[in-house]
Amino acid sequence: QTVVTQEPSLTVSPGGTVTLTCASSAGAVTSDYYPHWFQQKPGQPPRALIYSASKKHSWTPARFSGSLLGGKAALTLSGAQPEDEADYYCLLYYNSAPIWLFGGGTKLTV
Amino acid sequence: EVQLLESGGGLVQPGKSLRLSCTASGLTFINHAMSWVRQVPGKGLEWVSTISGRGGSTDYADSVKGRFTVSRDNSKNTLFLQITDLRAGDTAIYFCATTFSYPVESFVVWGQGTTVAV
Repeated sequence: QTVVTQEPSLTVSPGGTVTLTCASSAGAVTSDYYPHWFQQKPGQPPRALIYSASKKHSWTPARFSGSLLGGKAALTLSGAQPEDEADYYCLLYYNSAPIWLFGGGTKLTV
Repeated sequence: EVQLLESGGGLVQPGKSLRLSCTASGLTFINHAMSWVRQVPGKGLEWVSTISGRGGSTDYADSVKGRFTVSRDNSKNTLFLQITDLRAGDTAIYFCATTFSYPVESFVVWGQGTTVAV
């Protein structure tokens, strides 16, 4: 049973920088897993932020960026704003199954 | 603007069946794979199923295989999720989401969700 792991919680000061990571128990996360990142605020559906590891949607604030870092997918927030306080989920694609697996989510406090 | 609207949720008895719907607007529906994702209130997201644009290919999470069936009616821009033998563990908010380029750019736009309580 493959598991996708994220930090349960992180705290960042307003204006600060924080990196959230996404690891797979199956091994290093590569671009073949098409990592996606989502933001979810209470009572709202998830909102897509990043796809294919580092690509942004037209609505994604410039302060968010995605990358592959040390065998994990990473979401970096530079210049955190109070409105960035939310849950963040990563999502990986396992082509061999094929299935998608979400990470457990990171609760980000600003 | 792409919009998705789920419906069909409700309070159901264990063992019963339910069909969820997701109606799409603002896109050429047949060109887009569609997915279902569920979330137990207060918990994380769980991918449930994905169907290709023409409906010829479907994938399911192991946790729902055999009881959930995804389908679509492209003439009505509507996605469905048939759930049989409902269990307490199926209690969740069910979201539909659309894909722009599968799997590269997936789960781009989400509906507000419909709640199933078993």
